[in-house]
Amino acid sequence: DAKTTQPTSMDCAEGRAANLPCNHSTISGNEYVYWYRQIHSQGPQYIIHGLKNNETNEMASLIITEDRKSSTLILPHATLRDTAVYYCIVQPANFGNEKLTFGTGTRLTIIP
Amino acid sequence: DSGVTQTPKHLITATGQRVTLRCSPRSGDLSVYWYQQSLDQGLQFLIQYYNGEERAKGNILERFSAQQFPDLHSELNLSSLELGDSALYFCASSEQGASYNEQFFGPGTRLTVL
Repeated sequence: DAKTTQPTSMDCAEGRAANLPCNHSTISGNEYVYWYRQIHSQGPQYIIHGLKNNETNEMASLIITEDRKSSTLILPHATLRDTAVYYCIVQPANFGNEKLTFGTGTRLTIIP
Repeated sequence: DSGVTQTPKHLITATGQRVTLRCSPRSGDLSVYWYQQSLDQGLQFLIQYYNGEERAKGNILERFSAQQFPDLHSELNLSSLELGDSALYFCASSEQGASYNEQFFGPGTRLTVL
């Protein structure tokens, strides 16, 4: 699985967009980018995933660069409940290889 | 609420003992995963079961074992417990056949070994 690099921590003002970067320069053509978050010792929560196109759902947007070597998770209007550790994970979407390999993630703090 | 349940929520035991953690996946999910989260190791994949059979193994110690029953619930057995086994243990489940790999995590079991 490709390795990812994320900043250790970030702050964002409440109500502003939170932009969380992730570098995955060794990503392979069949590997997806997944984002999960973990709010204070709760179970991790799926946010969004993508292959090469930008994706948006009710929680967030995912922007993947054209060369797929990096991506950005965007929380459009951050709230205090978005304070969490955000994990960027890169792996193939193959049957039989579905384990998630978590790195250290980015600790996002939303400032009131 | 993810739909995945884990019991117990908290478990305190002594070194050398054996414990069993239980997980009920979301209705219809055939795959169950176990993860361990400790302060020094972060979130680590332990083992995956699919429809009753072991599918993948990660950094799971020989003292640990798991199984998935016909009703799809899973149990993680930890034996000869050591202080270093103190951690949060998460179970997750997913629907097979999906084109992507969204896993739904339970609330976890916090194990404290004294």
